[in-house]
Parts: sequence; structure tokens; C-alpha cells
Amino acid sequence: GQNIDQPTEMTATEGAIVQINCTYQTSGFNGLFWYQQHAGEAPTFLSYNVLDGLEEKGRFSSFLSRSKGYSYLLLKELQMKDSASYLCAVVDSNYQLIWGAGTKLIIKP
Amino acid sequence: GAVVSQHPSWVICKSGTSVKIECRSLDFQATTMFWYRQFPKQSLMLMATSNEGSKATYEQGVEKDKFLINHASLTLSTLTVTSAHPEDSSFYICSARDLAGGDNEQFFGPGTRLTVL
Repeated sequence: GQNIDQPTEMTATEGAIVQINCTYQTSGFNGLFWYQQHAGEAPTFLSYNVLDGLEEKGRFSSFLSRSKGYSYLLLKELQMKDSASYLCAVVDSNYQLIWGAGTKLIIKP
Repeated sequence: GAVVSQHPSWVICKSGTSVKIECRSLDFQATTMFWYRQFPKQSLMLMATSNEGSKATYEQGVEKDKFLINHASLTLSTLTVTSAHPEDSSFYICSARDLAGGDNEQFFGPGTRLTVL
């Protein structure tokens, strides 16, 4: 079967750095997305990785290792507004998005 | 970036009534639109994939006669929840894939919160 694993919840301090991991086992791979979702709102796009390596975009970076079936989202200089759920999603061989359950990130002052 | 709208944003209805939710891609053409449902504190659950001009493909466990999907144009897909019941209360989100895009990104609508009394 297809499976996306990410931690259920993480806590970090304002101003710090946090890394959210995602491991996947899917039928085929056509890219991996990270989305941010605040409570009661739809997901918003953060990053897309299809090749191995690190993609940096401001305070957020995303890393992919296809051979390991592994990705992480790195958030730097955490702000209170970063408190949200972070969803990892993989595009499989049928170009369907397979979603992780999301990681709830709690930022403390 | 590409914009997807949904209407209505929220709706409250009585049990047994039908509710229609619209999903529009505002500045791009979308041959494929997706309908998701999200219950509180859970991840997105794909309900169906909607292709313009053809029948939608429903995920296992989703009743196609209850959740009617129409994708009549490259910019509009509708989801009709027929004979809604309280257990259908959920957050319904649509997304659309840009026809011209090359990275498989899906653009999400803002979601519709359905409450069935």
C-alpha cells in the first residue's frame, strides 16, 4: 500500500529552528509537496521537490532524498504565525496526491 | 499564482436537503479538479477526481450517487451533496491542476464548511 509518515505534533520556541520529517512509500514518484494549513483554512503551497537536494525559499527550506523515500521541511526564525499543520504530499505514478496526516506545529514564546 | 475560488464559504442546511458547492479556477484552465473532505484534526481525504467533459472518478468508499460531481467547463466543477445528513458535516476543499503547469502543483480553493442540522 501507499504510506506517508510524519510526526503528529511538534513544539518549538519562537525564533528557533524546527525540522519536520516525512517518509514515504508510494507506487511511483512524481514529486513531493509541502503545504501549510491553518485551522479552518485550506492548505497553502510551501514547496515542491522532484529532484534530490535542498530547495531554499526564505525562512523555509525543503529537502528530498528519493533513494531514501525521505523529505524534510526546515523552518528557521520561527514566528508565532508559523503555528499550523504542515502536510507532506507525494505525487504517485498516477499523478494522484497521496497525503500525510499532517504535523501540528506549536510555537511557544 | 493561480487562484481557485469556492462558493459558498460556509453553509448550514437541514437534514435531507441538497447542497451545491462550486469550484472555479479564476485565471487558468483546469482539465482536472479534485474534491477533498477534511474532518476536524484529520488530513485531507480525496473524494473524487473530476475531469472536464467526462465522469468523475470516485475514491473507494465515496458514494457517487450521494456526491454528484459535474465538471462542465475548464474553469468550473461542482459538487452536490444530495440528501445531506449530519455525518456529512465537514470541510470540503477543491483543488485544480493548471493545464499549462509542469510541476503537478494543485491550487486549492478556500474551502466550504458544511454543517447539516
